[in-house]
Formats: sequence, structure tokens, C-alpha cells
Amino acid sequence: NAGVMQNPRHLVRRRGQEARLRCSPMKGHSHVYWYRQLPEEGLKFMVYLQKENIIDESGMPKERFSAEFPKEGPSILRIQQVVRGDSAAYFCASSPEVNSPLHFGNGTRLTVT
Amino acid sequence: QKEVEQDPGPLSVPEGAIVSLNCTYSNSAFQYFMWYRQYSRKGPELLMYTYSSGNKEDGRFTAQVDKSSKYISLFIRDSQPSDSATYLCAMSDETSGSRLTFGEGTQLTVNP
Repeated sequence: NAGVMQNPRHLVRRRGQEARLRCSPMKGHSHVYWYRQLPEEGLKFMVYLQKENIIDESGMPKERFSAEFPKEGPSILRIQQVVRGDSAAYFCASSPEVNSPLHFGNGTRLTVT
Repeated sequence: QKEVEQDPGPLSVPEGAIVSLNCTYSNSAFQYFMWYRQYSRKGPELLMYTYSSGNKEDGRFTAQVDKSSKYISLFIRDSQPSDSATYLCAMSDETSGSRLTFGEGTQLTVNP
């Protein structure tokens, strides 16, 4: 998992604050995916991005959540005005091309107090 | 009905046992099948990847896919305490790219 780097590993936010989660994909990977894992639940797809483009955001909540993958720098998952229900582990994954296996980072654990 | 069903366990076996983990799915469009292992507080780690029916072996691990029954399995031979983890099946279709649909995961404990 060392190839996909996520930071921070743990993030604590109070209700109403913003959370910014960062992901640097493996070297040579241009496809980035964000997943959310709630306690006792499986991983749920949120969004799929390539450099500068959102390809599929069908799993993203319509409000407060946004994602980007700029030409330079890491992919960012942004959650505005966080609520307690946003508390979860957020995982980023990357792949070199479409329909190739995903490689995951170790996640960011968001706690909203 | 969930697209992918996986018994969450927990499953507890003695060291050296053969472990069988299973998933069923309802979407006949799924073409790519994966098994991931997830240790506590870590990200999922890819174990096996296959896109055809039949068996694929890698060391102590064998992945089996039966598309006609919409059923996949992972077998672990000579299980070790270090295999204790949550095992997640995942799958995708041609149109979803690498967007995966996961099972809930099966929690496995191998007792020394």
C-alpha cells in the first residue's frame, strides 16, 4: 500500500468545519478513485477522476462533497460543513489504465465531533 | 437486494486449515473479479485478479469464478495466523472502468 499516499491519516473536525483529504497516486497512475468505508460496511465508490477531469461522480453526495485531481499535485477530496455522519474512513485508489486492478492507500480516518 | 453478497462472518479456523470465502452477485455484466485483504486500520491489498471463469492459483491462494452461477470463491490453503484479516470481494463491468462494487467483507481469524 505504500505506493498510494494519503494524508492526513487521521483528521478530527468539529461540525460545520471543512475537511480536505489528499491522495498522491502510485507513480505512473493517472486514474484516481475515492471510496468511503463506514463502520461495519463495505467500501462504497464515491468518485473517479483522471488528471483535470471528473469521469464518474455517481457515488458522491450531491451537496458538500467535491473532488479534484489537478494537473500538478495530489487529488483532493473536500467535504464542506461536515456533519457527524461524515465520520468514516476515506480511501483513495489508483490504477495505470481503465479496467486494471486498483491499488489502495491506507486511508484517512475522519472523525467529526 | 445488494449487487454483491458476502457473508460477513466472523470466521474462525485453526492454523493449517483450508479456508473458503465466497461471494454471489446479481449483475451479469460483471466481468472483472478481485479479492482484497484488509488488515485492521489499513487499506485493502490486492490478492487476486481475474476476468474469466475457472481457477487462478497464486501460492496458497486460489480464486475461482463461476459466471453461470454468479459465484466467486477464494481458497486459502495451509492458513496462517498472519492471514487473519478481512477479505473483500470486488467486481466491475466493462462500462464502469475500474469502479469496483465491493462485498461487505468476511472477517477471518486463524488461531495458532
